[in-house]
Amino acid sequence: AQSVTQPDIHITVSEGASLELRCNYSYGATPYLFWYVQSPGQGLQLLLKYFSGDTLVQGIKGFEAEFKRSQSSFNLRKPSVHWSDAAEYFCAVGADSSASKIIFGSGTRLSIRP
Amino acid sequence: DTGVSQNPRHKITKRGQNVTFRCDPISEHNRLYWYRQTLGQGPEFLTYFQNEAQLEKSRLLSDRFSAERPKGSFSTLEIQRTEQGDSAMYLCASSLGVGRSGRDEQYFGPGTRLTVT
Repeated sequence: AQSVTQPDIHITVSEGASLELRCNYSYGATPYLFWYVQSPGQGLQLLLKYFSGDTLVQGIKGFEAEFKRSQSSFNLRKPSVHWSDAAEYFCAVGADSSASKIIFGSGTRLSIRP
Repeated sequence: DTGVSQNPRHKITKRGQNVTFRCDPISEHNRLYWYRQTLGQGPEFLTYFQNEAQLEKSRLLSDRFSAERPKGSFSTLEIQRTEQGDSAMYLCASSLGVGRSGRDEQYFGPGTRLTVT
């Protein structure tokens, strides 16, 4: 069965520091992978997605993610975080061939230290 | 385009009462999804519609839950005889369906937070 694991429940980084959020997935075929961000009182916003092609994916707000099939990972990175990046981040995998049904990880809460 | 909207944003109800939530998708989006998110967890898929047709329902959607999309536009999610375990955020998403990429892309609303006392 498809699943997503985000091993870090909560991460704190200093403003201006680099960030990497970990995500591991389990999926039998080529996965369709997503990163979403959720701020308090806001809906989920899509940061980036991987369907095929280049394994390094660029997203909005300066985020990028790299798909590594050998490690079943899709880690999210940002070279320099801003205080406004504090939020909950969810990694997700499309659970069918068209990615209509999405399975989410349990999320990583990001706090920013001034 | 005002995005996906959900009403109400918050609902407090007593155990045993019925509640109904509404979702208005982005106009011209023919797919509409419902998810449930409990504290400290990611959203869990409940059901989705292609226009008026309900194409899939999760095992999480017990007999007390029913979703409709009568005219292929807005959707309602009703929970009958609410239980404390129903307390959660209920998220709605919409999409254009499978596009040229062959894949779907969902846009989420702000959610309705349900508290059952």
